[in-house]
Amino acid sequence: GQQVMQIPQYQHVQEGEDFTTYCNSSTTLSNIQWYKQRPGGHPVFLIQLVKSGEVKKQKRLTFQFGEAKKNSSLHITATQTTDVGTYFCAGDNAGNNRKLIWGLGTSLGVNP
Amino acid sequence: NAGVMQNPRHLVRRRGQEARLRCSPMKGHSHVYWYRQLPEEGLKFMVYLQKENIIDESGMPKERFSAEFPKEGPSILRIQQVVRGDSAAYFCASSPERSYTGELFFGEGSRLTVL
Repeated sequence: GQQVMQIPQYQHVQEGEDFTTYCNSSTTLSNIQWYKQRPGGHPVFLIQLVKSGEVKKQKRLTFQFGEAKKNSSLHITATQTTDVGTYFCAGDNAGNNRKLIWGLGTSLGVNP
Repeated sequence: NAGVMQNPRHLVRRRGQEARLRCSPMKGHSHVYWYRQLPEEGLKFMVYLQKENIIDESGMPKERFSAEFPKEGPSILRIQQVVRGDSAAYFCASSPERSYTGELFFGEGSRLTVL
């Protein structure tokens, strides 16, 4: 079946360092979403990418969607302790967001 | 404008008992999704419902699990004869009929512990 792989599984960085998580799908996606889940919390939507090669920025966060629409990345510049949490990508290949395939997430720890 | 409301937040059951988890979607949302999350793992899709209809239940175990979204009232995820392996966080999400961003709005989850 369709899979979405996310790496790394865990990463700890020093505050101020950069962080990147990568998401790879076994099939071409219609779009991809990114969510953040704080420890003990619930997933919160960050962004959706739809177009091939798309790049979107939200302050220190940069999201990319690959040209083949099979991979994506989230890059955080100059991490802060508030960035701590698990970042999930979720792929949609049906074009209706009704049944997303979720990666296992990358857990980010930030040392102050 | 209340978000997605789930209750109970925490539920403890003994093996063999029934667990009922409730989810009220955001106002104006007609689509509800249930996900299960085991500790240190990602979200597993269970079921997708619209009012009075199950659209996709391909992620739900065939036995002991059922879901409904009646015309009136919250969506219910029901787990009969719970076993220890059912211990997990169960998240409900909702979305409107038409969404520009595709965003799913999640509730805070119901954490089920089976003793």
